[in-house]
Amino acid sequence: GAVVSQHPSWVICKSGTSVKIECRSLDFQATTMFWYRQFPKQSLMLMATSNEGSKATYEQGVEKDKFLINHASLTLSTLTVTSAHPEDSSFYICSAWGVNTDTQYFGPGTRLTVL
Amino acid sequence: GEDVEQSLFLSVREGDSSVINCTYTDSSSTYLYWYKQEPGAGLQLLTYIFSNMDMKQDQRLTVLLNKKDKHLSLRIADTQTGDSAIYFCAERGYGQNFVFGPGTRLSVLP
Repeated sequence: GAVVSQHPSWVICKSGTSVKIECRSLDFQATTMFWYRQFPKQSLMLMATSNEGSKATYEQGVEKDKFLINHASLTLSTLTVTSAHPEDSSFYICSAWGVNTDTQYFGPGTRLTVL
Repeated sequence: GEDVEQSLFLSVREGDSSVINCTYTDSSSTYLYWYKQEPGAGLQLLTYIFSNMDMKQDQRLTVLLNKKDKHLSLRIADTQTGDSAIYFCAERGYGQNFVFGPGTRLSVLP
């Protein structure tokens, strides 16, 4: 149980385009989902927290207009990187917090490369 | 703010025990977690301990918590090459946000 999927697992795009990453909780309902960014050989950096049906809460320094988060249902959250630039290239990981759980369950990550 | 520290590298020989250490600063931590990350993958929850516990054992994994010193350790018995990965310590306060350590890269030598 407690499986979280992400799609796509990797994406390459041209500078200036937008990319959408999906995060799904497959066998549980996620009241809260988190989006992290991880640079090579570094730890996870929390970007934002999203609750179903409400606006995401962004961490300091994260541009909300660049990283659009939508948490439309209890099993799906999306992160859209708008007008992507090479510096947005990174590994993006989502996690989900279910009802009556003590921890976050992480997705497998999405590697974004912007050319 | 809260901070979590870990040593960055650890090398052990196959069959030996590995001990990965973590220190944290948040005295209101409720849970402490250990995650494993293999190359190019997400985080896999290994185990976690509630802050009022001193020890938790799960097969080859033993977690020790010294709440007074804010020190957490993960011991892996009979370490195998498949245990080579990055291990993240994370602490959780009263909310749902986690604070992660920088990760310890464990290398298991044959």
